[in-house]
Amino acid sequence: DIQMTQSPASLSASLGETVTIECRASEDIYSNLAWYQQKPGNSPQLLIYDANSLADGVPSRFSGSGSGTQYSLKINSLQSEDVASYFCQQYNNYPFTFGLGTKLEIK
Amino acid sequence: EVQLVESGGGLVQPGSSLKLSCVASGFTFSSYNMHWIRQAPKKGLEWIALIYYDSSNKYYADSVKGRFTISRDNSKNTLYLEMNSLRSEDTAMYYCAKGGYLLLRPFDYWGQGVMVTVSS
Repeated sequence: DIQMTQSPASLSASLGETVTIECRASEDIYSNLAWYQQKPGNSPQLLIYDANSLADGVPSRFSGSGSGTQYSLKINSLQSEDVASYFCQQYNNYPFTFGLGTKLEIK
Repeated sequence: EVQLVESGGGLVQPGSSLKLSCVASGFTFSSYNMHWIRQAPKKGLEWIALIYYDSSNKYYADSVKGRFTISRDNSKNTLYLEMNSLRSEDTAMYYCAKGGYLLLRPFDYWGQGVMVTVSS
């Protein structure tokens, strides 16, 4: 199985700041990488797919990048509504696997 | 608007069975692969099962293989997860999720989830 190592596990930042979350795959996943946002009490929602494509309705302050085994999610101009957990997920091979998540809080 | 609505969860004893349902609307259900994903309390996400759009293939995580069965009824726009020999470690929120036309696509819509608690 492909292991997804996500960092940091938690993150505290101020409103308006830029934050970056990293995700490393145990093998090349050819940009078959998605990022999900899960707000407290809600189900996950797709943010980014194919490593850098924005899902429908997602604000442009979210962006994804990376290739091979290294990927990142960047959130510009942090807003209060961005408080959530963020998960990366590879869909290059079954079983699809997720990172353990990053919990983002506002300072 | 795409909607996925799960039902069938509850509190059950170890060793028992439960069947979850997920009713889909807002898209052509019969054209898309569908998945079940679970999340144990305060834990991460675990993909557990996939069924092709036409039920021709099914895949399972090792943790549920041989105990869980995924199925679908395209005439009813409904996805199912039959769970047997339930264990305490199966306690989780279970989500159905829409996949893509193609096999290797992310989950672009998720249901609200249904809680399954396995405890004596």
